[in-house]
Amino acid sequence: GNSVTQMEGPVTLSEEAFLTINCTYTATGYPSLFWYVQYPGEGLQLLLKATKADDKGSNKGFEATYRKETTSFHLEKGSVQVSDSAVYFCALDITQGGSEKLVFGKGTKLTVNP
Amino acid sequence: EAGVTQSPTHLIKTRGQQATLRCSPISGHTSVYWYQQALGLGLQFLLWYDEGEERNRGNFPPRFSGRQFPNYSSELNVNALELEDSALYLCASSLGTGTGSSNYIFGPGTRLTVT
Repeated sequence: GNSVTQMEGPVTLSEEAFLTINCTYTATGYPSLFWYVQYPGEGLQLLLKATKADDKGSNKGFEATYRKETTSFHLEKGSVQVSDSAVYFCALDITQGGSEKLVFGKGTKLTVNP
Repeated sequence: EAGVTQSPTHLIKTRGQQATLRCSPISGHTSVYWYQQALGLGLQFLLWYDEGEERNRGNFPPRFSGRQFPNYSSELNVNALELEDSALYLCASSLGTGTGSSNYIFGPGTRLTVT
């Protein structure tokens, strides 16, 4: 089946530290891959996406590269800020017979301390 | 432009009761998706409505149901509430089929607590 496995948290870092959140997937076909972020008390926001192998998605200093050979889409940021504290979700897009839905990982809570 | 809105923000019910959650999509969006975010389980796909029809359903029992109105707003109904239904229910809207999941815009959610 189609599934997403992401590194479980919580992850606690100091400001300006390097961040990696691992995400691997299982899918039939060639899904699009996404990272969503959920700030405290808010809904989900799309952070970045990649639609085909070797694509790199980037936004707000975050990056992730679609690696088909390792079925991975790890999220990275070179220097985190306190404002990056949130829950991060990796997801893939399943499109079958005109039906679309997102399949999410369980989320990784990131806390960045000053 | 207003985003996706959901009401109520919080809802407290007792076991066995019914809950009704509402979602208004972004203007021009015809598809509405419902997801359940239960503690420790991530987001689980519940239902997808497009142009007033149910298009897809996740692995949830029939007591989870809903509908989409002519103005594309949507209701999620949960009957015979159980304690494990306690979760954040997120609604998302998009332009419709074929436009891809990257066009999803999520609302802030309704926090349902079943006691």
